[in-house]
Amino acid sequence: AQSVTQPDIHITVSEGASLELRCNYSYGATPYLFWYVQSPGQGLQLLLKYFSGDTLVQGIKGFEAEFKRSQSSFNLRKPSVHWSDAAEYFCAVGAKAAGNKLTFGGGTRVLVKP
Amino acid sequence: SAVISQKPSRDICQRGTSLTIQCQVDSQVTMMFWYRQQPGQSLTLIATANQGSEATYESGFVIDKFPISRPNLTFSTLTVSNMSPEDSSIYLCSVDPTGSDTQYFGPGTRLTVL
Repeated sequence: AQSVTQPDIHITVSEGASLELRCNYSYGATPYLFWYVQSPGQGLQLLLKYFSGDTLVQGIKGFEAEFKRSQSSFNLRKPSVHWSDAAEYFCAVGAKAAGNKLTFGGGTRVLVKP
Repeated sequence: SAVISQKPSRDICQRGTSLTIQCQVDSQVTMMFWYRQQPGQSLTLIATANQGSEATYESGFVIDKFPISRPNLTFSTLTVSNMSPEDSSIYLCSVDPTGSDTQYFGPGTRLTVL
């Protein structure tokens, strides 16, 4: 069975500082990996995804993520956060073998201090 | 990607009643999914609703409580039946456009049951 762990429930970061959100997954084969963002009162927006190939993937809004097979991790990073990055971030894992169903981590809420 | 709309965006309902949530997508898609996001929680898959077949429900979710229709390739409904306060959640639909292996989410329906 698939599982996803986001160890940090809340993270507070100053505007302009760097941000890293952790994600660890459990799956037998190489899964499809995703990061989504949910702003207050909104649906989920896809930030980036990893299927195969280059382990460093670029996404929207200046985010990037690195797939590390040896650590079963897919951490999300941004070099300099903006106040508009305050939101909840979800890591998710899926696989064709599982009918592309997604399993989500518990989420990390990011607060940006001025 | 795909543009997805949901109706209603929010509702307040009395216990014992039922609510039908609509999900409309701007292109034809085979794979659609329904998720529940309880207050302060992550997303949990309710069911997969592929056109041309019966919905497939995840463990803990049953058709009598969450009947789903999928009459065509651009539309689906989820009904929350005989509601109780524990059903208060955000309900989100998503689509996986053919060949993308990526889910795109609607804005969600925020349901409050009194």
